[in-house]
Amino acid sequence: KAGVTQTPRYLIKTRGQQVTLSCSPISGHRSVSWYQQTPGQGLQFLFEYFSETQRNKGNFPGRFSGRQFSNSRSEMNVSTLELGDSALYLCASSLEGPGRGMGEAFFGQGTRLTVV
Amino acid sequence: KQEVTQIPAALSVPEGENLVLNCSFTDSAIYNLQWFRQDPGKGLTSLLLIQSSQREQTSGRLNASLDKSSGRSTLYIAASQPGDSATYLCAVANNAGNMLTFGGGTRLMVKP
Repeated sequence: KAGVTQTPRYLIKTRGQQVTLSCSPISGHRSVSWYQQTPGQGLQFLFEYFSETQRNKGNFPGRFSGRQFSNSRSEMNVSTLELGDSALYLCASSLEGPGRGMGEAFFGQGTRLTVV
Repeated sequence: KQEVTQIPAALSVPEGENLVLNCSFTDSAIYNLQWFRQDPGKGLTSLLLIQSSQREQTSGRLNASLDKSSGRSTLYIAASQPGDSATYLCAVANNAGNMLTFGGGTRLMVKP
């Protein structure tokens, strides 16, 4: 059974540009969550999608957005990149979502974004 | 707002020792708690999931306990090995909260 797949694995972008990251969840999982990990702030929740609907959003500026497609694949977009957006972005999938059903979350390998 | 704390932040032990990692949370109305392992620059690997109605879960040399009323969980690693060196993270999910709240992690080094 394939795990959670995130692409690309590494990205280097310039300040002011925008970026799109992709996440393919485990087959049959309908919930996809996104997290940002930095040395200073640790792991912080960005947003969660279930059946193409955003159910929860973390405390991030509107430059961070996401969506989920009918096949449960998800993308997140960051516009007008800032140096502080440099981080490891992690995607997690679960059957029904955190706090529901079995609730076990499985993570991808992450996308390392560097903004220069 | 749920807050999760992990103590210690870092731990260095000789190979073969049994060790305990601690995780505490402020809001006891959790749905479940999950322990993860993270190797440098990698994603998170799920180790153990404890539902709120359970007291403990075991997998091989790992045992995780949960005391919901006191807001605490411990991860016990028996007979540690150098391959156990990694950062260990705990995360809690609140009922229908649709998110995980993570602790800051414990960075473990097991010396041969």
